[in-house]
Amino acid sequence: AQTVTQSQPEMSVQEAETVTLSCTYDTSESDYYLFWYKQPPSRQMILVIRQEAYKQQNATENRFSVNFQKAAKSFSLKISDSQLGDAAMYFCAYRRYMDSNYQLIWGAGTKLIIKP
Amino acid sequence: SAVISQKPSRDICQRGTSLTIQCQVDSQVTMMFWYRQQPGQSLTLIATANQGSEATYESGFVIDKFPISRPNLTFSTLTVSNMSPEDSSIYLCSVEGTGGASTEAFFGQGTRLTVV
Repeated sequence: AQTVTQSQPEMSVQEAETVTLSCTYDTSESDYYLFWYKQPPSRQMILVIRQEAYKQQNATENRFSVNFQKAAKSFSLKISDSQLGDAAMYFCAYRRYMDSNYQLIWGAGTKLIIKP
Repeated sequence: SAVISQKPSRDICQRGTSLTIQCQVDSQVTMMFWYRQQPGQSLTLIATANQGSEATYESGFVIDKFPISRPNLTFSTLTVSNMSPEDSSIYLCSVEGTGGASTEAFFGQGTRLTVV
């Protein structure tokens, strides 16, 4: 069964610095998708970045980038030039196809604190 | 993309009563997903609602406790029945875009339920 593990319950970073959130997953599939979602205190879940497993190139979205290591089943998120608005819960998720539809398997989340 | 209007945003309810949560999507979608997020925890899928058929419930969730309606392709409700304090959680509805496995999920703003 697929599982997603986020080993850091909480991380803190100084504003303008860089922080990396870790995520590992377990799967026997060869083609899949991975996502990072952000949930600020407003509770609105927002997509940060996605990665297709068959693409070797790491995805980037402005200040957000991933380090995707398929063999190690690792999918970490790097946030550069951290801003106060980045403070949120960050969830790593794996998409699987089951029972004729796609489902997301979620990690436990990492709370990111930005220090001004 | 999809915009989801979820209401109520929060409620405080007496134990033994029921609460119905509504989700309205601004476009037609095949599947709608209902999640529970306990305080400080990750998302747990309650059920998947497909228009015109019975919802599919995940292990640990039953229709008598969480009845779901899906009368059309833009609307769904989740009822939390015979509530107890253990049902205090955030409840989220979600839909997925039409891009297949790579598509992102879109979420309502969540309903924060407190049972007293």
